[in-house]
Amino acid sequence: VQLVQSGAEVKKPGESLKISCKGSGYSFSSFWIGWVRQVPGKGLEWMGIIYPADSDTRYSPSFQGQVTLSVDKSISTAYLQWSSLRASDTAMYYCAKYNYGEPVAYWGQGTLVTVSS
Amino acid sequence: QSALTQPASVSGSPGQSITISCAGTSSDVGGYNYVSWYQQHPGKAPKLVIYDVSDRPSGVSNRFSGSKSGNTASLTISGLQADDEADYYCSSYTITSASTLVFGGGTKLTVL
Repeated sequence: VQLVQSGAEVKKPGESLKISCKGSGYSFSSFWIGWVRQVPGKGLEWMGIIYPADSDTRYSPSFQGQVTLSVDKSISTAYLQWSSLRASDTAMYYCAKYNYGEPVAYWGQGTLVTVSS
Repeated sequence: QSALTQPASVSGSPGQSITISCAGTSSDVGGYNYVSWYQQHPGKAPKLVIYDVSDRPSGVSNRFSGSKSGNTASLTISGLQADDEADYYCSSYTITSASTLVFGGGTKLTVL
């Protein structure tokens, strides 16, 4: 199992951004992909999950309306996107393979997003 | 939903044992045996060290153990080693969020 994320990004407030997470080594469509935010020096926050087979998406309350999860199962890739970035979105973002009630055993390497004017 | 509650920091000397607590509610920690613990070294992705309250993934030292009582789970590390110095996070399945998972706030373990 491998999850490979896109590279670090530096953006200005108000810009849009889409980062990616490509899965391999398992049946990508059969497991949820979760996204985790980690603000520098702070803890892990579970943002939401998406099921590649049918794009069913569930957001954690704090992130509902703030980000959009999407997926392209034909290329085994999940996405996390922002329409208008804020400085407070500066963080490391991890994707992870997930299933209800199961531990998060597989993580991407992380994508650092820096938002600064 | 609120994060699970962990102490901000714990410390211990090499060879000693430490315990990190993770307090939740009956909607998460207390209601399901789906508590996991993760170790995170600086600049690295988290690594699973305990799942399903007390099971260890292959390759994780048996110095790591987990337990649960009521709404509180615990991670114990025995025979502390320098490399155990890291941040530790608990997580639990939860019915209070559509995304079904919640993390603790994290605990910084310092090996003196």
